[in-house]
Amino acid sequence: KQEVTQIPAALSVPEGENLVLNCSFTDSAIYNLQWFRQDPGKGLTSLLLIQSSQREQTSGRLNASLDKSSGRSTLYIAASQPGDSATYLCAGRSSKTSYDKVIFGPGTSLSVIP
Amino acid sequence: NAGVTQTPKFQVLKTGQSMTLQCAQDMNHNSMYWYRQDPGMGLRLIYYSASEGTTDKGEVPNGYNVSRLNKREFSLRLESAAPSQTSVYFCASRGDRGSQETQYFGPGTRLLVL
Repeated sequence: KQEVTQIPAALSVPEGENLVLNCSFTDSAIYNLQWFRQDPGKGLTSLLLIQSSQREQTSGRLNASLDKSSGRSTLYIAASQPGDSATYLCAGRSSKTSYDKVIFGPGTSLSVIP
Repeated sequence: NAGVTQTPKFQVLKTGQSMTLQCAQDMNHNSMYWYRQDPGMGLRLIYYSASEGTTDKGEVPNGYNVSRLNKREFSLRLESAAPSQTSVYFCASRGDRGSQETQYFGPGTRLLVL
């Protein structure tokens, strides 16, 4: 059974720092992994999706990597800004046909201090 | 494109009352989902629909029913609300191929059952 964990649960950094959020999953037969951002009181916004055949995806200051063998994904945020403050969730999908098997991690709450 | 829309945004119910949460997407996606999000429990799948006319139970289906009215709309019904159903409900849809398999979420419905 796929389980997804995220470390740390909360992170506070000064503006301008580069930072890494971690996501671990137990089933290496993962189909894809998605990173989301959730602002307080809002829905989830997709940031990056990495297919199992890919090792990383980039969008602006964000870079997500996927290492299936170690069961880990990281989200790298460069030059952090106060507007990056939010909760970041990762979600792993077990297989192409497993419509229901998208398991979410508990999230990392990020605060970027001006 | 409006993406995924949900109504209502907020609702207060008394125990035993019924209500239907509405969800619609305009991205021509086949797959649609209903999640609930609770503090300390993360996102949990209630029901999903892989295509028009099909629905399947997720992790926490008890007390809920769903209807995939057409390709655009997927509704969630609480027949007899209970305080344990106090939560934030999110609808999501997903594309079918490659990078389009990104999950898109609605803004959520905040439900309080007294």
